[in-house]
Amino acid sequence: GNSVTQMEGPVTLSEEAFLTINCTYTATGYPSLFWYVQYPGEGLQLLLKATKADDKGSNKGFEATYRKETTSFHLEKGSVQVSDSAVYFCATVGTANYGQNFVFGPGTRLSVLP
Amino acid sequence: DAGVIQSPRHEVTEMGQEVTLRCKPISGHNSLFWYRQTMMRGLELLIYFNNNVPIDDSGMPEDRFSAKMPNASFSTLKIQPSEPRDSAVYFCASSSGDLNTGELFFGEGSRLTVL
Repeated sequence: GNSVTQMEGPVTLSEEAFLTINCTYTATGYPSLFWYVQYPGEGLQLLLKATKADDKGSNKGFEATYRKETTSFHLEKGSVQVSDSAVYFCATVGTANYGQNFVFGPGTRLSVLP
Repeated sequence: DAGVIQSPRHEVTEMGQEVTLRCKPISGHNSLFWYRQTMMRGLELLIYFNNNVPIDDSGMPEDRFSAKMPNASFSTLKIQPSEPRDSAVYFCASSSGDLNTGELFFGEGSRLTVL
């Protein structure tokens, strides 16, 4: 079935540094790819998504491009802020006997220091 | 519009007690998921409902866990008897339609501590 692999971190950066969190996927076909973010004490929420190859998802200064040639969906931000400290999950949609489900990576904890 | 609502937010109980976690999905969503999150195992899918019917419960750890969805606006996850290893944050999430184009909406979670 479909799966995602992401760097597990933790990642610690200074404010205004450049961020990259790597994510690669294995999939049958070309399912949508997602980044979810979990702030402390909260549930996961959608950060951005891309539904087909070469699509770029973007939100809140974060970007990720769906690259089928490298099966990757790396998350990037040019200048991180303290408020970006959170856990980031790469995800895709899998197909099981019963239908669809979400497949999440293990999460990458990001800490941004002032 | 209200999001996914879970209760209780925090529960502390003693080993052997019954625990019931509750979830109200977003109105109109036809899929509901229960997840468990721990530091050791990350985010695990426990069970998935579609149109109130349990579709896949292969992630439910053992017979002590059960989940129901009596109607489109309510679901419960029950642990009986509870054990210390069940301590985790339990999330409920809901979605509508095709997951490839849709989005999974999470509640704020129920943090369970079993002493």
